[in-house]
Amino acid sequence: EAGVTQSPTHLIKTRGQQATLRCSPISGHTSVYWYQQALGLGLQFLLWYDEGEERNRGNFPPRFSGRQFPNYSSELNVNALELEDSALYLCASSPDSTGLNTEAFFGQGTRLTVV
Amino acid sequence: AQSVTQLGSHVSVSEGALVLLRCNYSSSVPPYLFWYVQYPNQGLQLLLKYTSAATLVKGINGFEAEFKKSETSFHLTKPSAHMSDAAEYFCAVRNSGGYQKVTFGTGTKLQVIP
Repeated sequence: EAGVTQSPTHLIKTRGQQATLRCSPISGHTSVYWYQQALGLGLQFLLWYDEGEERNRGNFPPRFSGRQFPNYSSELNVNALELEDSALYLCASSPDSTGLNTEAFFGQGTRLTVV
Repeated sequence: AQSVTQLGSHVSVSEGALVLLRCNYSSSVPPYLFWYVQYPNQGLQLLLKYTSAATLVKGINGFEAEFKKSETSFHLTKPSAHMSDAAEYFCAVRNSGGYQKVTFGTGTKLQVIP
């Protein structure tokens, strides 16, 4: 069974541009989570999608947005890129957003570099 | 509110020596606790998790962790370090709700010296 897949693996953008990152969850998983892992800051929760709806977002500005498609894959969009947006963006999926024993499975990430 | 603190952003051990990575948590209710490992340029892989069953949790790759409520700790150990254990390790806590409520620590980079 395929794991969580993210594309592209690396992305280089210029300040002010837009970046689109993609995530395909494990088959059967309906919840997708996005995290930003900037150098020295650990994982910061960005967004959570479940059943096509945005359920929660972390403390990030509105230029970070996304969506979840009917097949549960997800897109993260970052508008008006700033140098500080350079980070590894991780996507994770889980089969159930509410189960107490729920765990998430992570993709390998997209390394976004803003120059 | 919940939080997790990992003591030591970098830990070095000799190959064959004991690995001890420290994690302390804060939670107003009984927590669920996780340890993840991240190899360079990779995503996170679950090592083990505590979900209020046995306090000593065994995970993959020979790692284990013990939940100590009195010390609010969930330290990760391995009796004998291998070179392949060199990676970054994250402790995470969740008290209620779904996975979106997980809070991650800032990570500990483990270096294994031959």
